[in-house]
Amino acid sequence: QAQLEESGGGAVQPGTSLRLSCVASGFTFSDSGMHWVRQAPGKGLEWVAVVSHDGTEKYYADSVQGRFSVFRDNSRNSLYLQINSLRPEDTAVFYCAKDRGAGLTGYFYGLDVWGQGTTVFVSS
Amino acid sequence: DIQMAQSPSSLSASLGDRVTITCRASQDIRNYLGWYQQKPGEVPKLLISAAGNLQSGVPSRFSGSGSGTEFTLTISGLRPEDIGTYFCQNYRLVPLTFGRGTKVELK
Repeated sequence: QAQLEESGGGAVQPGTSLRLSCVASGFTFSDSGMHWVRQAPGKGLEWVAVVSHDGTEKYYADSVQGRFSVFRDNSRNSLYLQINSLRPEDTAVFYCAKDRGAGLTGYFYGLDVWGQGTTVFVSS
Repeated sequence: DIQMAQSPSSLSASLGDRVTITCRASQDIRNYLGWYQQKPGEVPKLLISAAGNLQSGVPSRFSGSGSGTEFTLTISGLRPEDIGTYFCQNYRLVPLTFGRGTKVELK
């Protein structure tokens, strides 16, 4: 049974950094593109970033380009999101999610496995 | 960026009703469209991929149709466990934009 578990969230001050982690199990992690999606309190889903199965391709939402960095370690079945210069508007639950495909050449096929999420709260 | 206009933003229906949710893409996304269900307090779940392919384990009362810019999610016979918010998502082009969601409530 495919599973994802996020960690690394917390309450932080504006301008600081966080690194979120996501550990995968129950599927061949190195075969799948992996996404980060966030959801602000009471709001809808916002796609954040994706990394291809082999880590060679990365894409970001305009709202996070330059501040967020996605990467993966297939030897550890792990996905990461480095978040710098945190802003109050980054407050959200951050989900990692598995793509149904490899995420290469900009082709994606839907997010079929989701973690439970990790909460980031940014406030002074 | 591709905008996904989802409607209605909320709806109230009775048990057994046929419910229809629409998503309109700002440009042609072929069939690179997914539908997700998020029940209150839960994680989103992929119901339908490629605009019309039901995911394994999803009840057959759910169906999706459309291609290009116009897409529809239909629930044929609303059940209590269908209450929640539904989102469409373009995954044809990055950024992979979501619709704003449709909250489905019981009348």
